[in-house]
This record gives sequence, structure tokens and C-alpha cells, in this order.
Amino acid sequence: RKEVEQDPGPFNVPEGATVAFNCTYSNSASQSFFWYRQDCRKEPKLLMSVYSSGNEDGRFTAQLNRASQYISLLIRDSKLSDSATYLCVVSGGFKTIFGAGTRLFVKA
Amino acid sequence: NAGVTQTPKFQVLKTGQSMTLQCAQDMNHNSMYWYRQDPGMGLRLIYYSASEGTTDKGEVPNGYNVSRLNKREFSLRLESAAPSQTSVYFCASSEAWDRGVYGYTFGSGTRLTVV
Repeated sequence: RKEVEQDPGPFNVPEGATVAFNCTYSNSASQSFFWYRQDCRKEPKLLMSVYSSGNEDGRFTAQLNRASQYISLLIRDSKLSDSATYLCVVSGGFKTIFGAGTRLFVKA
Repeated sequence: NAGVTQTPKFQVLKTGQSMTLQCAQDMNHNSMYWYRQDPGMGLRLIYYSASEGTTDKGEVPNGYNVSRLNKREFSLRLESAAPSQTSVYFCASSEAWDRGVYGYTFGSGTRLTVV
């Protein structure tokens, strides 16, 4: 079992749709959680941190469920510019694990 | 622009050749990292430097060496390239040794092909 698992997708959605990504992790001692965005043939960029209470940044909402060991990312009102790969990142005990990513295509 | 600068952006090597990937950051970050990214897999840590003067192995260090030249620069060397080292390499930096807490800033990557 991978330490961090994501649905590879791709997710194909129309503009304006709401899309949700889930990510599960195996290390219950993990302490920090993030979502990164990676455009095609580009470097990953930090999208948002994920806090236990959940957090929102504009159209993006991230949530953490420690009991079930998963984190989620919700994108509302999808834009063409949201097309990218979304990486789940879990960190703890001086170890950071990147998920393989979920590809999103937003179509006009 | 402030950030992490990697060179070269592309490289083709023959099996057995050596090369050094260069990385420099101007954000005064303490920690620097080298990752590789292969299709269908997450980023995997090759080596890291928690602070100037220290380096440690990550998950996949075999076939690589690193040098933390100063606080700004962290290089990755392939002594004898193998086809299995064909990958995209990313350098990254962060403020603190516990890596994930503050998030990473990545360089734009080096696409390496070993034939």
C-alpha cells in the first residue's frame, strides 16, 4: 500500500462544475497536510495547507479527517485555468510524502 | 524574480557519462532538496540538506551525490548515468528543516534522458 494514495484520474469536467479530490494516507502520526498544483511540464506550486478545522481560499476548500486518514480538496465553479494535476502532500516526523497526483481537465 | 533556479533545463546523457545539476535559491531558506519525478509516481526525495554544511540521504539516493556549496547553492551529481535515472529532477527549498510545515518552493526542473 502506498503511503499517500490519490485517484490518478483524469477528471474531465465542464466549466462551472464542482469537483472533489480525495487523498488517503497511511501514517497516523502525520502532522502537516498540503495540496500542491502542478501544471503540465512545470514545477509543483503550493496551493494551500490543510488544517484540522478545514480551510477555504476562494473557490477552494480543503478538509482533513484524521480519524479516517484522508484529506480532500473541493473546487467550486471550475475554470479552464484550473486544469492541472493536484498533488496531495503529507508530512510528519521529518518525512514528507507526495502523492502521484490527480489530473483535472476543465472543458469549455 | 526571487525563487529557485535550476540548470540545465534539458540534458541528454549517454550511459556512463557524468553530470552535475545546479540549483540556487535567493530566499535565504535554510533547507534544500533534490527530488525526482517519474510518470505515475509521486515526487521522491533523493537527498536533502537541512542546513548549510549538512546533507542526508532521502528515499532514492543510490547513484547520486550532492554538495551544499553554501546557503544558496545545492548541486546534484550523477557519477555514472544509467537509463533508470531518466527522469525529471526538481530542486526545492524551504525555510525550515521540518520541510513540510512551511511548504516548498520548487525550481522549474531538469528533464534528463539517459540513452
